[in-house]
Amino acid sequence: AQKITQTQPGMFVQEKEAVTLDCTYDTSDQSYGLFWYKQPSSGEMIFLIYQGSYDEQNATEGRYSLNFQKARKSANLVISASQLGDSAMYFCAPNTGGFKTIFGAGTRLFVKA
Amino acid sequence: NAGVMQNPRHLVRRRGQEARLRCSPVKGHSHVYWYRQLPEEGLKFMVYLQKENIIDESGMPKERFSAEFPKEGPSILRIQQVVRGDSAAYFCASSRRGRTEAFFGQGTRLTVV
Repeated sequence: AQKITQTQPGMFVQEKEAVTLDCTYDTSDQSYGLFWYKQPSSGEMIFLIYQGSYDEQNATEGRYSLNFQKARKSANLVISASQLGDSAMYFCAPNTGGFKTIFGAGTRLFVKA
Repeated sequence: NAGVMQNPRHLVRRRGQEARLRCSPVKGHSHVYWYRQLPEEGLKFMVYLQKENIIDESGMPKERFSAEFPKEGPSILRIQQVVRGDSAAYFCASSRRGRTEAFFGQGTRLTVV
C-alpha cells in the first residue's frame, strides 16, 4: 500500500516569512506525479503545484515551489512571503500506482499577523 | 476549479435512506474521481471512472455504495441505506486524462441523522 507522510499536523508562520511543509511518500513506481492542494476553511480543494518525477527542475508556481528530492522520496512545499490567506490545510498527493491520486493526512498552516 | 459542479452542497438524510450525489466535470474532462473526507482527515480515494466505465473502485465500500459516469449527464455517487458513519464530505474531481492535475468540486457534505 502507498504511504504518504506529512509529519507536521500543524504549523505556525509569521506573515511575510517563508514556510516549508514536509511530505515524504513511498512508491516503487519510476514515473509518477506529485501534487499539492490547499483546502481553506470554506472546504474546497485548490490545486497549487505539480512535479513530475522526471522533471529535472523543481516546480515553481508564483509563491509556491517544490523542494523535490527523488532519491529521498520527498517533495516539500515552500511558500514564500506568507499571507494571511494562506492559512489552510495543505495536502500532499502523489499520483502513483495507476491513475488515482492518494492524499496525505495534511498539514494545517496558521499564518500570524 | 469552478468548473467542477457538485450538487447538492449539503445533504441531510435519515438512517436507512438513499443519498445521491452528483458531479458535473469540467467541460472536456472525461475522467472523474470520487473522494471521501472525514472530519480532520485527508481525502480517501473511492473510485475512478471514465465515461461508461469504472476504472478503479478499490476504495469503494463493498456494500451500499455505487458510482456511475454515463455517456450523457453527470457522474453519480449513490449510497443506499445510509448509516451515521457515512457522514462526511464527498469530493468529486475531474481531469482531462490520468496523471494530470485534477480539479475539484466544492464537495457535498452529507449528514446522516
